[in-house]
Amino acid sequence: KQEVTQIPAALSVPEGENLVLNCSFTDSAIYNLQWFRQDPGKGLTSLLLIQSSQREQTSGRLNASLDKSSGRSTLYIAASQPGDSATYLCAVSGSGYSTLTFGKGTMLLVSP
Amino acid sequence: KAGVTQTPRYLIKTRGQQVTLSCSPISGHRSVSWYQQTPGQGLQFLFEYFSETQRNKGNFPGRFSGRQFSNSRSEMNVSTLELGDSALYLCASSGQGYGQETQYFGPGTRLLVL
Repeated sequence: KQEVTQIPAALSVPEGENLVLNCSFTDSAIYNLQWFRQDPGKGLTSLLLIQSSQREQTSGRLNASLDKSSGRSTLYIAASQPGDSATYLCAVSGSGYSTLTFGKGTMLLVSP
Repeated sequence: KAGVTQTPRYLIKTRGQQVTLSCSPISGHRSVSWYQQTPGQGLQFLFEYFSETQRNKGNFPGRFSGRQFSNSRSEMNVSTLELGDSALYLCASSGQGYGQETQYFGPGTRLLVL
């Protein structure tokens, strides 16, 4: 059974810092890995999707890497801003279909 | 394109009642998945529908059921509600529902069971 772990569970940083969020998964047989953002009480916003054959994806200040063999992914946020404050979730798709297994998330607070 | 929509956004029910939640996927998407989010368990997969057929199911009791209509809209039903069913219920859509596709989530329905 796939298990996804995210470390740290919570992170507080001052504005402008670069930061790294970590995600690990137990079964390397994945189709893709997706990073989401969730604001309090809201749905999920997809940030980046990395296919199993890819090593990284970039979108603006976000960069996600994937090391499938070691079961790890990182989300790098450059020059953090207060608007980045949210919970970041990592999820893997491990079957031919779209079923996602989620980590518990990292709650990020960026203070001005 | 309009995003995934879910109705209602909030619901309050009492134990023993039943509830129906609705999800309209992004236009052209044929796969709809449902997830339950609670503080203790996080996000857990309920089931996935494609072309009106349930294609995959998570580890939830039979009180949780769903269906999909020919226009890809989906409903989920929870019968005999329990206090532990209080949660945010999220649906997600994708084109064909294959593992390589991005999942797009709706805003969720927050269910409170008293």
